[in-house]
Amino acid sequence: EAQVTQNPRYLITVTGKKLTVTCSQNMNHEYMSWYRQDPGLGLRQIYYSMNVEVTDKGDVPEGYKVSRKEKRNFPLILESPSPNQTSLYFCASSYRGGAYEQYFGPGTRLTVT
Amino acid sequence: QQQVKQSPQSLIVQKGGISIINCAYENTAFDYFPWYQQFPGKGPALLIAIRPDVSEKKEGRFTISFNKSAKQFSLHIMDSQPGDSATYFCAATFNDYKLSFGAGTTVTVRA
Repeated sequence: EAQVTQNPRYLITVTGKKLTVTCSQNMNHEYMSWYRQDPGLGLRQIYYSMNVEVTDKGDVPEGYKVSRKEKRNFPLILESPSPNQTSLYFCASSYRGGAYEQYFGPGTRLTVT
Repeated sequence: QQQVKQSPQSLIVQKGGISIINCAYENTAFDYFPWYQQFPGKGPALLIAIRPDVSEKKEGRFTISFNKSAKQFSLHIMDSQPGDSATYFCAATFNDYKLSFGAGTTVTVRA
């Protein structure tokens, strides 16, 4: 089954404790992206990757890091999480870019206390 | 700063009625305008999309109307059904990589 998986689905952590949210896709897609969803703000792009070893900032990259060492994986790293990063996070992938259908993962609900 | 402004924030419609969601943008370089549908507890999924060389696109009960000169586009849901109750996001992209979403509209269809 074609899908995007994210882990963990739920995470409660404390300020400053480094964490990684994993994302994996099995569709051989070149493009992967991370979004955060907040009430009243919709989906905001954090980082995206056009292919292996090629990443770029979205609209809200501050406080986040990404890497793309393999085509299928695109982890999101929060080196020192803060309460304002409490949000619902989605990973997505598509054949080539934003102008192609994006397939979203199930989401990761992150709470930083 | 939201590059795509979406309204209304929420709407309630009776079964069989028409739901209309509007979006506006400023960046004239945008060249692809998708709409995504999201059900509670799920990730968004592509519903329908349009490019600016077309003024209207219809897929089943869903229609996108596009007004390039006004820099506006809208989603019409005809014959709304309870199963259409969801959050709808408009979006836009211009370099094929960055995608800007609207703030979302929660649609509730009353039976």
